[in-house]
Amino acid sequence: EDQVTQSPEALRLQEGESSSLNCSYTVSGLRGLFWYRQDPGKGPEFLFTLYSAGEEKEKERLKATLTKKESFLHITAPKPEDSATYLCAVHSSNKLIFGAGTRLAVHP
Amino acid sequence: GAGVSQSPSNKVTEKGKDVELRCDPISGHTALYWYRQSLGQGLEFLIYFQGNSAPDKSGLPSDRFSAERTGGSVSTLTIQRTQQEDSAVYLCASSQGPNNEQFFGPGTRLTVL
Repeated sequence: EDQVTQSPEALRLQEGESSSLNCSYTVSGLRGLFWYRQDPGKGPEFLFTLYSAGEEKEKERLKATLTKKESFLHITAPKPEDSATYLCAVHSSNKLIFGAGTRLAVHP
Repeated sequence: GAGVSQSPSNKVTEKGKDVELRCDPISGHTALYWYRQSLGQGLEFLIYFQGNSAPDKSGLPSDRFSAERTGGSVSTLTIQRTQQEDSAVYLCASSQGPNNEQFFGPGTRLTVL
């Protein structure tokens, strides 16, 4: 059964304190791993798609990487506006299978 | 350009009533998805439409749930005889194709009293 597990469930950082979020996945034939950001009361906002091990993508303070078993979302020198829930998902059949998310809080 | 839009943004209904939720996908996107997000839970797939093909209804939790997509564009999710456990945020997403990134709407928050 295809599965996505994210850790930690919650993360509190000081502004400027870099860290990484983990997404472990099990899927039969990866056809894309997706990262989304979700703010309270809003729909998920697309960040990155990764398709093959070794692939990396960057956007501002965020960098996503992919191995054969997991993906990391690295946050460099975060700011309070980076506070959100970060969701990881894999493509499975006709849908996305989502992890439970990591709630990130960045304090000034 | 315009993103995915959903209406209403909030819906409060009484147990046993029927509700209809609407989704307008991004223009030109052939794939449309409905998901449900309950409080403290992850996103749960409900149904998928791709072009004129028969929809994938494998995620619908019961026969009280149904959805249609007219003219390959707007979609309506209908919940009949609502129950309290149906309370959740219902999210719609669209994509250019079945393997492309999905773009989500703001969701409809459904509360069943």
